[in-house]
Amino acid sequence: EPEVTQTPSHQVTQMGQEVILRCVPISNHLYFYWYRQILGQKVEFLVSFYNNEISEKSEIFDDQFSVERPDGSNFTLKIRSTKLEDSAMYFCASTISAGELFFGEGSRLTVL
Amino acid sequence: QQQVKQSPQSLIVQKGGISIINCAYENTAFDYFPWYQQFPGKGPALLIAIRPDVSEKKEGRFTISFNKSAKQFSLHIMDSQPGDSATYFCAASRETSGSRLTFGEGTQLTVNP
Repeated sequence: EPEVTQTPSHQVTQMGQEVILRCVPISNHLYFYWYRQILGQKVEFLVSFYNNEISEKSEIFDDQFSVERPDGSNFTLKIRSTKLEDSAMYFCASTISAGELFFGEGSRLTVL
Repeated sequence: QQQVKQSPQSLIVQKGGISIINCAYENTAFDYFPWYQQFPGKGPALLIAIRPDVSEKKEGRFTISFNKSAKQFSLHIMDSQPGDSATYFCAASRETSGSRLTFGEGTQLTVNP
């Protein structure tokens, strides 16, 4: 069964450092997303991406965040200068059109 | 107006019992209402979803009830099993391509053997 894969599974970084989280969406999917989940809280939308550009972003997705699809398979989330409050589980998701989102298993980011 | 409110925050049910989780939404533009199941250390996985043209949808032991006028929907898990112990999230979106999901706060379900 096709799945969304994410790396790394866990990353520990110092405050102020840059972090890149990587995702390989399901191959025939066209829409890509990043969500985050702070420990014990709900899943929050960060950004959606379609046709090589951001289609929607939330108020959380400020100038410290960027997304890129550098090749035909990877979809990355970059946090330029991490803050303590960026510590969370980051989920990549993809879908072929409207409807079901398929989520990866997440990348846990710990900012010290 | 984007919020989805979910209750209860946690729920403990005996094996074989019925688990009921409720959600309410505000945005009348929402027209797709999925429930996601999340096990510890895993990503959310779609369990069942409903669109507002029907009031109920059943898949196995899982049923969604939808009340459009009240802007509420609920998940019923019949014959709850210990393996159902997980966190359940309701969500809502406008079912246009690429539309984002707005999640509820989650319900941690524990089914005791």
